[in-house]
Amino acid sequence: EIVLTQSPATLSLSPGERATLSCRASQSVSSYLAWYQQKLGQAPRLLIYDAFNRATGVPARFSGSGSGTDFTLTISSLEPEDFAVYYCQQRSNWPPTFGQGTKVEIK
Amino acid sequence: QVQLQESGPGLVKPSETLSLTCNVSGGSISNYYWSWIRQPPGKGLEWIGYVYYSGSTRYNPSLTSRVTISVDMSKNQFSLRVSSVIAADTAVYYCARGMGAPDFWGQGTLVTVSS
Repeated sequence: EIVLTQSPATLSLSPGERATLSCRASQSVSSYLAWYQQKLGQAPRLLIYDAFNRATGVPARFSGSGSGTDFTLTISSLEPEDFAVYYCQQRSNWPPTFGQGTKVEIK
Repeated sequence: QVQLQESGPGLVKPSETLSLTCNVSGGSISNYYWSWIRQPPGKGLEWIGYVYYSGSTRYNPSLTSRVTISVDMSKNQFSLRVSSVIAADTAVYYCARGMGAPDFWGQGTLVTVSS
């Protein structure tokens, strides 16, 4: 099973700042890496699939990059609604696995 | 817009079987994969398995001996059964469309395993 390690565990930033979230895989997942946003009491929302493709309706301030074992989710300028927990997920090997999450909180 | 809605008992006794159904509206269940994913309270996400509309399935090896996922095209819904449940099966259970990077998710339903 592929282990995904996200860093940092918590990111404290102010609205308008840039957020950079990392996800490292225990082995190569090629570009089969997705990112989700989850707010308290809600289901995860797909943001990015296959490393850099934005899902339908996702604002352009969200971007994904990376391949192999190292991936990044960047939020160019944080909006108030972006403070949430973010998960990465690989679909390269079965079963798909998720990282433990990065919480983006208001500083 | 596709919508998914989980339904089923919120409380299950240890050693019994957890059964949930996901109703799909706003679109057909045909030609898609459909997944179940769970999240224990305050913890991360775990993929349980998926079913294709044709009925083929694949399960997480950690759960394969206890899990059954099935589809009912006539009702546009799919279902999850987890047998011999224990406290560690307590979680919010989500149904979702897709088997790689699900794009539509249900709101989730909390299932508590307790006597």
